[in-house]
Amino acid sequence: GENVEQHPSTLSVQEGDSAVIKCTYSDSASNYFPWYKQELGKRPQLIIDIRSNVGEKKDQRIAVTLNKTAKHFSLHITETQPEDSAVYFCAASNGNNRLAFGKGNQVVVIP
Amino acid sequence: NAGVTQTPKFQVLKTGQSMTLQCAQDMNHNSMYWYRQDPGMGLRLIYYSASEGTTDKGEVPNGYNVSRLNKREFSLRLESAAPSQTSVYFCASSEVMRQGGTYEQYFGPGTRLTVT
Repeated sequence: GENVEQHPSTLSVQEGDSAVIKCTYSDSASNYFPWYKQELGKRPQLIIDIRSNVGEKKDQRIAVTLNKTAKHFSLHITETQPEDSAVYFCAASNGNNRLAFGKGNQVVVIP
Repeated sequence: NAGVTQTPKFQVLKTGQSMTLQCAQDMNHNSMYWYRQDPGMGLRLIYYSASEGTTDKGEVPNGYNVSRLNKREFSLRLESAAPSQTSVYFCASSEVMRQGGTYEQYFGPGTRLTVT
């Protein structure tokens, strides 16, 4: 099955700086790559996603890029704010109605 | 709309006890999922139900059973709880994945289970 890995496990950034989290996947048939954000004590929620026919997608301060050849995709957060502090999960799917999640990255925004 | 609801929010069990975690969704979704979340391990799929009347094993099904009671409800049963099942359990639901567009799994608030 699909194996998704995330790096780094913890990322600390100064408020206003950018944060980048990278994920790699193993199944070349995967064609859908979402990112979920989980605040402390809350449920995971979808923040952005990308399909394999697109190289980049932006939504305000967040963007996701995909490199199918290298089988990795990244989440970019610009102008980080304290409310961006959370655990971020990447996931991948080959269209089988299931998501394979990575282990998560803790992002800490230092005011 | 309440979205995805789960009961109970917290539970403490002794080793060997049984219990059922309940999940319901009011979004008319076809697919439902049970995950467990452990520190440093991400979200691991226990069981899922692609549609009413079907259930399939996920990544970590041992020690669990599920029932898709109807389109709205999907329960997770621990027949004989073990300390290794101490975890936070999330239920999720989604529409069927289609070509193009966004596919979102909507999560419930979670159940924090401790087995002593």
